[in-house]
Amino acid sequence: KQEVTQIPAALSVPEGENLVLNCSFTDSAIYNLQWFRQDPGKGLTSLLLIQSSQREQTSGRLNASLDKSSGRSTLYIAASQPGDSATYLCAVKSTSGTYKYIFGTGTRLKVLA
Amino acid sequence: DVKVTQSSRYLVKRTGEKVFLECVQDMDHENMFWYRQDPGLGLRLIYFSYDVKMKEKGDIPEGYSVSREKKERFSLILESASTNQTSMYLCASSLITGVLETQYFGPGTRLLVL
Repeated sequence: KQEVTQIPAALSVPEGENLVLNCSFTDSAIYNLQWFRQDPGKGLTSLLLIQSSQREQTSGRLNASLDKSSGRSTLYIAASQPGDSATYLCAVKSTSGTYKYIFGTGTRLKVLA
Repeated sequence: DVKVTQSSRYLVKRTGEKVFLECVQDMDHENMFWYRQDPGLGLRLIYFSYDVKMKEKGDIPEGYSVSREKKERFSLILESASTNQTSMYLCASSLITGVLETQYFGPGTRLLVL
């Protein structure tokens, strides 16, 4: 059964730092992995999607990498800003069990001004 | 842009009431999903639907039912609300399956059952 873990659960950094959020999954048979952002009391916004055949995806100051064989993904945020403060979730779409995404519990990020 | 809307942002109901949560998407997506999100437990899938009138149980379907009479609308029904169903409910939709599937989420409904 696929399990997704995100460490740390919470992170507080000063503005301007480059930071890395981690996501690990137990079953490497995946279609893709998606990173989401969730602001307090709101829904999820998709940030990046990495297909199983890809190694990384970039969008602005965000870069997500995928190492399927080791069951790991990282989200790199460059030059962090207070507006980046949110909870970041990763989700994997396994090749077994159609239609289901398995979510991690998220990393709550606070960027201090 | 894909838009997924949910009928209420906040809802307060009494134990035993029948509760309807509505979700509408405007991009002709085949797949629609209902999740609940609780602190420390993350998102858990309640039900999903891959076509009109089709539904599949997710990981925690007990106490819930769903309805998909039209492609754009997916309703979650709490037949007899209980306090342990107090939660944040999130609806999502997606167009295709496989490597390019991306889920789009609504803003969520925070339900309090007293």
